[in-house]
Amino acid sequence: KAGVTQTPRYLIKTRGQQVTLSCSPISGHRSVSWYQQTPGQGLQFLFEYFSETQRNKGNFPGRFSGRQFSNSRSEMNVSTLELGDSALYLCASSLAEGRETQYFGPGTRLLVL
Amino acid sequence: AQTVTQSQPEMSVQEAETVTLSCTYDTSESDYYLFWYKQPPSRQMILVIRQEAYKQQNATENRFSVNFQKAAKSFSLKISDSQLGDAAMYFCAYRSGGISNFGNEKLTFGTGTRLTIIP
Repeated sequence: KAGVTQTPRYLIKTRGQQVTLSCSPISGHRSVSWYQQTPGQGLQFLFEYFSETQRNKGNFPGRFSGRQFSNSRSEMNVSTLELGDSALYLCASSLAEGRETQYFGPGTRLLVL
Repeated sequence: AQTVTQSQPEMSVQEAETVTLSCTYDTSESDYYLFWYKQPPSRQMILVIRQEAYKQQNATENRFSVNFQKAAKSFSLKISDSQLGDAAMYFCAYRSGGISNFGNEKLTFGTGTRLTIIP
């Protein structure tokens, strides 16, 4: 079974631009979560989607948004990019049946100049 | 809110030796899950081992085992017969459990321990 895939793997943007990252979960997984990893703040939870609905959201500004499609694929969008948004963005999926483990994708490394 | 603390930023171990990574957490919940994830230089986060709080028996996966002390809120990872491929950042993570938290997939991570294997 294929693992979690994320595209693109690397991205360079400039301040003020917006960016969209994509995540395809493991086949059969219905929950997708997003995390931001930076050297200063570590791993922080962004949000989680299940059945096209956001079920949980971390403490991030409204510039960070996401959505999930009917096939469980998810996208996250960051508008009006700031230098501090430079990070590794990790996506994780799970069966979401109450006691399941999350499995991570390889991440998208975003650099904002 | 739950917190996870890893007090060892860096650890090193001789190849084939045993090393223990520490993790403590703070929670008022009784039902939860604890995980150790490994992140090698490739940056892919890989699940190492998982422990359900309601299980008294410590989880084991091949060379990896945990020492789960629920009362002390401690969850250490022991790596036996260390191999060069074990070199990575290791993250301890917490997730809420129970019926009231069904569907809450959020993981709370510690700051990580960088493990170096000395040949």
